[in-house]
Amino acid sequence: TQLLEQSPQFLSIQEGENLTVYCNSSSVFSSLQWYRQEPGEGPVLLVTVVTGGEVKKLKRLTFQFGDARKDSSLHITAAQPGDTGLYLCAGAARGNQFYFGTGTSLTVIP
Amino acid sequence: GAVVSQHPSWVICKSGTSVKIECRSLDFQATTMFWYRQFPKQSLMLMATSNEGSKATYEQGVEKDKFLINHASLTLSTLTVTSAHPEDSSFYICRPEGLANYGYTFGSGTRLTVV
Repeated sequence: TQLLEQSPQFLSIQEGENLTVYCNSSSVFSSLQWYRQEPGEGPVLLVTVVTGGEVKKLKRLTFQFGDARKDSSLHITAAQPGDTGLYLCAGAARGNQFYFGTGTSLTVIP
Repeated sequence: GAVVSQHPSWVICKSGTSVKIECRSLDFQATTMFWYRQFPKQSLMLMATSNEGSKATYEQGVEKDKFLINHASLTLSTLTVTSAHPEDSSFYICRPEGLANYGYTFGSGTRLTVV
């Protein structure tokens, strides 16, 4: 099993604060995705990173793929209540099998 | 992006009854279907993988006779929870994948409550 550990598991912050979510593994992945999921809905893809060391920005969200393609981080600047949700990383290995991270539940308090 | 329709979005059933969940790919042919279950504020756990026209492959600990998967066409896969029990209550999500889709789009999920 290719385990992806996310930290922190739960995070509650005030609106306007910054935060970083980490996704770590001992396995190498061909690509890694980040998803956000709201209660009662399926996960929605935020970004895919493919190249070691790659950095992608999506408005206030910055995603980074580790040089060795074993880990990734998601940084949110000036968090807003609309950022509240469950954040999941998922690593793609052989074929298109995804291995999901343990999840980070974020609550942004107005 | 790919369009995936999952139905029903929620269902309540009595213990001992069976429930069928449908997952349709509306704008591409899904050669593979992944079915997941998810408990509140937890990650997705893969239950089984199916390829169109063949038997599903179940993950360790998932009872194949309890969770019946049918992937009879390239646009439809179904998951039937047979003889449901309260411990089967969960959120079930599908993820189809095909040549024209890398499998990054999930169904909207089905909240199953067994009473």
